[in-house]
Amino acid sequence: DAKTTQPTSMDCAEGRAANLPCNHSTISGNEYVYWYRQIHSQGPQYIIHGLKNNETNEMASLIITEDRKSSTLILPHATLRDTAVYYCIARAGGSARQLTFGSGTQLTVLP
Amino acid sequence: GAVVSQHPSWVICKSGTSVKIECRSLDFQATTMFWYRQFPKQSLMLMATSNEGSKATYEQGVEKDKFLINHASLTLSTLTVTSAHPEDSSFYICSASGPTGNNQPQHFGDGTRLSIL
Repeated sequence: DAKTTQPTSMDCAEGRAANLPCNHSTISGNEYVYWYRQIHSQGPQYIIHGLKNNETNEMASLIITEDRKSSTLILPHATLRDTAVYYCIARAGGSARQLTFGSGTQLTVLP
Repeated sequence: GAVVSQHPSWVICKSGTSVKIECRSLDFQATTMFWYRQFPKQSLMLMATSNEGSKATYEQGVEKDKFLINHASLTLSTLTVTSAHPEDSSFYICSASGPTGNNQPQHFGDGTRLSIL
């Protein structure tokens, strides 16, 4: 699976959009981009995933660049409960394959 | 959405005892389950992959005789930490995936915090 690079930490004001970047410059054509988050002392929570098209669900939007070398997770109206470590993972198809977690981005939503 | 239940959420026990952790998929059949371990201020590290009806596949450096995995049904996998010692204290997390499609996400349990005295 392709290596992903994320900033170590980010702050965001409550109510504003949080934009979390992820670089995956070596991603291959069959690798999806998955986003998970981990709130302190809990298991990771699935947020969203995509292959090449932008995706949106009730939690977030995922914007993938046309060359697929980077993506951005957007939380449109961040709340204090969105404070967590956010993981961007590139993984080839096959739900039976493990996820490889990097260091992620610690997002802190400030009041 | 898919729900994975992990039990217990927290356990404290004496050194030398064995601890069993259960991971259940509540609303889907999980052909594959994964066990991760997370030490403080670190990311999740895969320990083993558990496939229903077959032996688990362990990652390099993970002792299979110490961390016994059983995946006897499509909704339950168990991890038993045998003869636990203080260095086994960690946050253990399971995840499960179903046979619904190649790009479907895995879903995680809430983890088990294990403290060995």
